[in-house]
Amino acid sequence: GENVEQHPSTLSVQEGDSAVIKCTYSDSASNYFPWYKQELGKRPQLIIDIRSNVGEKKDQRIAVTLNKTAKHFSLHITETQPEDSAVYFCAPGGYGQNFVFGPGTRLSVLP
Amino acid sequence: NAGVTQTPKFRILKIGQSMTLQCTQDMNHNYMYWYRQDPGMGLKLIYYSVGAGITDKGEVPNGYNVSRSTTEDFPLRLELAAPSQTSVYFCASSDSRDPEAFFGQGTRLTVV
Repeated sequence: GENVEQHPSTLSVQEGDSAVIKCTYSDSASNYFPWYKQELGKRPQLIIDIRSNVGEKKDQRIAVTLNKTAKHFSLHITETQPEDSAVYFCAPGGYGQNFVFGPGTRLSVLP
Repeated sequence: NAGVTQTPKFRILKIGQSMTLQCTQDMNHNYMYWYRQDPGMGLKLIYYSVGAGITDKGEVPNGYNVSRSTTEDFPLRLELAAPSQTSVYFCASSDSRDPEAFFGQGTRLTVV
């Protein structure tokens, strides 16, 4: 099955700084690369995703970049705000097969 | 359109008791999943289903059973509850044409 790792496991940044979280995966057949955000006590929710035929996607302050050759993709958050504090999960896979989530990265944005 | 609905939200079980966690979705999704999340940890896949009548084991299936008799419902059964099953359980669904997973609000289960 898919082996998914995330780095770092915890990340603290000053408000306004940028944050980058990297997800590495093992299954070369993966063609869908989402990032989920889970706030404390709440359910995970999709924040951004990318398909395998695209190298980068941006949505306001967040972006995802994909390197299929190296089997990793990254979440980029610019101009971080306190409400960005949460746990972020990647879940690489195929269409309709979000079976395996990464271990998560806890982001803390310090005021 | 309620999305994914789980019941109950909270439950305390005694060791050895059994219960069923209910999950229903109204988005006509063919894929459904059960995850457990221990405190401060990630999501572990328990069971999943790719359509009515089809289920398969995930990473941590021991101590659980599922069924998928309809597209909408995917109940999770715990037999002989153990303290190690204390966790938050999330049900999720997705569609093969649009892979975004939609999660229920979770069930917080404590086994004492």
